[in-house]
Amino acid sequence: EPEVTQTPSHQVTQMGQEVILRCVPISNHLYFYWYRQILGQKVEFLVSFYNNEISEKSEIFDDQFSVERPDGSNFTLKIRSTKLEDSAMYFCASSLAGGDTQYFGPGTRLTVL
Amino acid sequence: AQKVTQAQTEISVVEKEDVTLDCVYETRDTTYYLFWYKQPPSGELVFLIRRNSFDEQNEISGRYSWNFQKSTSSFNFTITASQVVDSAVYFCALGSQGGSEKLVFGKGTKLTVNP
Repeated sequence: EPEVTQTPSHQVTQMGQEVILRCVPISNHLYFYWYRQILGQKVEFLVSFYNNEISEKSEIFDDQFSVERPDGSNFTLKIRSTKLEDSAMYFCASSLAGGDTQYFGPGTRLTVL
Repeated sequence: AQKVTQAQTEISVVEKEDVTLDCVYETRDTTYYLFWYKQPPSGELVFLIRRNSFDEQNEISGRYSWNFQKSTSSFNFTITASQVVDSAVYFCALGSQGGSEKLVFGKGTKLTVNP
């Protein structure tokens, strides 16, 4: 069964450093998403991406965040200058169409020291 | 604005008991979708069910059943004869059609099934 994959599973970084979180969505899916979950809290939407551009972003997704689909398979989230409060689990998801079921990857746990 | 409320923060049951997880939603959209996801201790989000706003038929899948009532804006989830492997955090989520594709999640209900 096709699934969303994410790498790395855990990333530790120093405050102020740049990180890139990587995702491989399900191959025939057209919509891609990033969500984050601060430990013990609910899952929050960050950004959606379709047709090689951002279709929606939340207020959390400020100028330090960016997304890219550098090739036909990868979907990345870059955080330019990490802050302590960026520590969270970051989930990538994909769906065949807008409004369809979003399938989530296993997550990347980001720890900012 | 869309909102999902899961009033039960934690529930603890003994194996084989039935348990119902509550979900109440708010939306102004006429067409929307409701989801349940399971987050086991390993941390991933596992899709359980998707329901369209125009389909109020209840659904059963094995020990799982879902009760969708538009009149009360609720989409409750019942596990029959719970098992230890059901222990997880369960999230209800709301999505809309057209415009926004984001899912709005509730805060989750942590279910612990004790042997």
